[in-house]
Amino acid sequence: EIVLTQSPATLSLSPGERAILSCRTSQSVSTELAWYQQKPGQAPRLLIYDASNRATGIPARFSGSGSGTDFTLTISSLEPEDFAVYYCHQRFNWPPLTFGGGTKAEIK
Amino acid sequence: QVQLVQSGAEEKKPGASVRLSCKTSGYTFTANYLHWVRQAPGQGLEWVGMIFPRDGSTTYPQKFQDRVTMTRDTSTSTVYMELSSLRSEDTAIYYCARDAEGFDVWGQGTMVTVSS
Repeated sequence: EIVLTQSPATLSLSPGERAILSCRTSQSVSTELAWYQQKPGQAPRLLIYDASNRATGIPARFSGSGSGTDFTLTISSLEPEDFAVYYCHQRFNWPPLTFGGGTKAEIK
Repeated sequence: QVQLVQSGAEEKKPGASVRLSCKTSGYTFTANYLHWVRQAPGQGLEWVGMIFPRDGSTTYPQKFQDRVTMTRDTSTSTVYMELSSLRSEDTAIYYCARDAEGFDVWGQGTMVTVSS
């Protein structure tokens, strides 16, 4: 089973700041990694697929990068609606499909 | 537009079974895998398994292999997930999600509470 480790667990930033979230996998997943955003009481929303492709309707301030075992989600300038929990997810080697433990972006 | 609409909340006793539904619309039902993902209160996301509606084939993680069954009804574009031998640790929100270059559309979730 591929283990995904996200860091930091919590990110305290102010609106307008740049957010950099990390996801490290226990073995290579090539670029088969996705990022999701989840707000309280809502289902997750797909942000990025295949490591760097923005999903439909996702603003350009969200970008993904990386390959192999190290991946990054960058939010170039945080908007108030971006404060949420973010999960990475690998679909390279399964079953099982696995998710990271999440990074919470909170308002400083 | 693509929609996944899930059945309502369930309360079950330990040892019972629960059957959840996920009705799809707005796309060709047989074209995409559908997955089930759960989230225990205050916790992260956990994959429960998947079904390919075209042929009904399924894949489950070993953790749920002997307790979960996923089926589909092509006449109503609905998938079902049954989880048996429920225990308190199964208390969670269960989501269905369409697989199209990532899980691009999710249902609203179904809360399952297991308590004596």
